[in-house]
Amino acid sequence: DGGITQSPKYLFRKEGQNVTLSCEQNLNHDAMYWYRQDPGQGLRLIYYSQIVNDFQKGDIAEGYSVSREKKESFPLTVTSAQKNPTAFYLCASSGPGTENRNEQFFGPGTRLTVL
Amino acid sequence: AQKVTQAQTEISVVEKEDVTLDCVYETRDTTYYLFWYKQPPSGELVFLIRRNSFDEQNEISGRYSWNFQKSTSSFNFTITASQVVDSAVYFCALSELYSGAGSYQLTFGKGTKLSVIP
Repeated sequence: DGGITQSPKYLFRKEGQNVTLSCEQNLNHDAMYWYRQDPGQGLRLIYYSQIVNDFQKGDIAEGYSVSREKKESFPLTVTSAQKNPTAFYLCASSGPGTENRNEQFFGPGTRLTVL
Repeated sequence: AQKVTQAQTEISVVEKEDVTLDCVYETRDTTYYLFWYKQPPSGELVFLIRRNSFDEQNEISGRYSWNFQKSTSSFNFTITASQVVDSAVYFCALSELYSGAGSYQLTFGKGTKLSVIP
């Protein structure tokens, strides 16, 4: 089945550690996105990538880094510089063309807790 | 800058009641897209509908219906005869055609948590 997978589902990290969240899609989508969701808040864009080997900062990129070496994969690293990393992280992707670019499909999310 | 407001933070209804979730948006573009997503307790966002700014026809899909009014910049979502399985957080989102550096970023509202009581 086509879709987006994120792993792990739950992740615990000690303060001062970097951690990488995985996002893989087999939808053949060009664009991929990372969002952060805090309780009672909407989703906020961290980074996005429209094509392999290219990515752009979103609204809250500080303390995060990404890579896009393959079309299918868009891992997100939460660095120790991120002041308040505990949150729910959602990955999304969208297909080619204007109409399709605007329809984002979401993965199941990773809940990160910093201890 | 684009903005989406969902004024209702939480709504509770008794099963079989109808409920309307409000969404008001701001944009300077004439071409844009509006979306509704459902987020059940599992966390994954489920796409419900996309509407472009040139299509003001209301849409009905089963128990779901959407009312798009450009004059009031609103895109409201109604669930008829609500069921317990409708309990979730619902997000309205806006995408401008050319929102920043050729991207298609979604701007989300803060969501409305709907609880349907049996």
